[in-house]
Amino acid sequence: QKEVEQDPGPLSVPEGAIVSLNCTYSNSAFQYFMWYRQYSRKGPELLMYTYSSGNKEDGRFTAQVDKSSKYISLFIRDSQPSDSATYLCAINDYKLSFGAGTTVTVRA
Amino acid sequence: DARVTQTPRHKVTEMGQEVTMRCQPILGHNTVFWYRQTMMQGLELLAYFRNRAPLDDSGMPKDRFSAEMPDATLATLKIQPSEPRDSAVYFCASAAREGNSNQPQHFGDGTRLSIL
Repeated sequence: QKEVEQDPGPLSVPEGAIVSLNCTYSNSAFQYFMWYRQYSRKGPELLMYTYSSGNKEDGRFTAQVDKSSKYISLFIRDSQPSDSATYLCAINDYKLSFGAGTTVTVRA
Repeated sequence: DARVTQTPRHKVTEMGQEVTMRCQPILGHNTVFWYRQTMMQGLELLAYFRNRAPLDDSGMPKDRFSAEMPDATLATLKIQPSEPRDSAVYFCASAAREGNSNQPQHFGDGTRLSIL
């Protein structure tokens, strides 16, 4: 069993829609959770970084961690075509364990 | 804006050849990671170093892969001999970590490797 499982997508939404991305993880001891965004032919770029449970908001992006269900989510409000990318969840336990990534396309 | 720099960005070579990929971590970052990304496996950790010492290389095929940090500003990943199955994008990432801190990793733009 992989440490992190991510809904594979792909996901296509109209501009302005809310994008919802989800992952589950296996080890309840994990404390650090991240979301990376990867544009085509680029390296992953850190988007959100949360510690333990709860919500974190940064502009149009909200990251949620539910440790009781071992579930992490990323929401993108008012999505823009520039948000089209692959989004990777990751557990940070000294090294990163990544989900498979969800490719999102926001249609203008 | 501080960045991780990787060279070369692209490499095409024939099976059996030696391949060397280089990484310049962000200045002041003492922890360096090597990842490989493929469509089938996603992003996988190959090895990581802290303060130039290898801490974990369990993800790396030992018979053909080697990773080193000759100094604090350079990390290298070598494949010898290369095989077609090594074709992938290789990413380097760095972080500033002391003790048990878990500062996030910052990635370079990768080396896209094709072995013919």
